[in-house]
Amino acid sequence: QSVLTQPPSASGTPGQRVTISCSGSSSNIGSNTVNWYQQLPGTAPKLLIYSNNQRPSGVPDRFSGSKSGTSASLAISGLQSEDEADYYCAAWDDSLNGRDWVFGGGTKLTVL
Amino acid sequence: QITLKESGPTLVKPTQTLTLTCTFSGFSLSTSGVGVGWIRQPPGKALEWLALIYWNDDKRYSPSLKSRLTITKDTSKNQVVLTMTNMDPVDTATYYCAHSIHSSGWSFDYWGQGTLVTVSS
Repeated sequence: QSVLTQPPSASGTPGQRVTISCSGSSSNIGSNTVNWYQQLPGTAPKLLIYSNNQRPSGVPDRFSGSKSGTSASLAISGLQSEDEADYYCAAWDDSLNGRDWVFGGGTKLTVL
Repeated sequence: QITLKESGPTLVKPTQTLTLTCTFSGFSLSTSGVGVGWIRQPPGKALEWLALIYWNDDKRYSPSLKSRLTITKDTSKNQVVLTMTNMDPVDTATYYCAHSIHSSGWSFDYWGQGTLVTVSS
């Protein structure tokens, strides 16, 4: 059971815009920034979005992130076949002992 | 160019201790604002954060695994070592190490290729 909740699957057709949600609580998303990772089949995760809406160098601007309250979203516009992957959100979770990283359960994106 | 690579046993027996080494290049773990973390992924399952060590030797552990984990760094060798005691078949997973930096919100911006560890007698 992951601390951050994501839909297990999402799908879209080429050229479409899809969004993936990530729901948390006041101790994680509500008080810290959110990162998104893309994991293509058989490969290591890759950083897609950091600090809610920042793209690392090399990540296409088709990918965008947003956060509101205790939820965050990843949007992919102009969907392409190579976007078919698993997507994970992550955030710090504040506890009495400090900050620990928590991940969502992942969303498998299928390009139809 | 930042690279990381995990190394260690591919097979361990239940109750044994796992020792994994992350050897990296392209950055120094003595530089302020830098960290290296470990994340694992059981086959077909989600990512799970395990531990993180910072440039100042501050260490963070997953609360659920804290009693079994130890993370250390050897700055001179550009290595970070993770030990996990009392291994169980449920610990079978691909283990990744990753670079983290303050300027990217402490996200894991570079990842190793991962190493699959199987726990079985």
